Amino acid sequence: NAGVTQTPKFQVLKTGQSMTLQCAQDMNHEYMSWYRQDPGMGLRLIHYSVGAGITDQGEVPNGYNVSRSTTEDFPLRLLSAAPSQTSVYFCASSRRRTGTETQYFGPGTRLLVL
Amino acid sequence: DQQVKQNSPSLSVQEGRISILNCDYTNSMFDYFLWYKKYPAEGPTFLISISSIKDKNEDGRFTVFLNKSAKHLSLHIVPSQPGDSAVYFCAFTAGAGSYQLTFGKGTKLSVIP
Repeated sequence: NAGVTQTPKFQVLKTGQSMTLQCAQDMNHEYMSWYRQDPGMGLRLIHYSVGAGITDQGEVPNGYNVSRSTTEDFPLRLLSAAPSQTSVYFCASSRRRTGTETQYFGPGTRLLVL
Repeated sequence: DQQVKQNSPSLSVQEGRISILNCDYTNSMFDYFLWYKKYPAEGPTFLISISSIKDKNEDGRFTVFLNKSAKHLSLHIVPSQPGDSAVYFCAFTAGAGSYQLTFGKGTKLSVIP
């Protein structure tokens, strides 16, 4: 099993550009989520999905879109990048939707918005 | 409004000694508590957890303690090893129906050989 994979590892964008961060898992996990980590901060939840076709907002959803057309994939779209979105983005998945399930994290995507 | 506080950004410990990492929380709804470890350029990995019905959970060298009345969580690593050098995050959920982990800011542990 590859676990949770994320691409790209690193990306530089100009303000106003759009892009999609890719996330895939091969563990047949029901629950997937996106977090961002800023310097000196803990991880904050952006969006999550409890199954194919079902998504919802987390703590910091503004400026991001998600969709879940398959169990395996959960892309995160930046519609119009802003310098405030410079961060490290982590995708995570877990077997079920319960809060007590262990979440497995991808290696992260480092995004720089100029 | 910080619901979770890890007040020590960094901690240095000699190899073989005990490492103690601490976390305080304010949200009374939290009832499941976790520790994640993160190496540079990697995602966080689950380390150990405890539910609110317990006050201690052990897994090898790692022990998590929960003091609900003080809203305090701690992680003990005994003995500490150089490979334990990483950033440690405490994380909390508000129960089985919760979808969200709330993370602390992390403590960077350095274990000196």
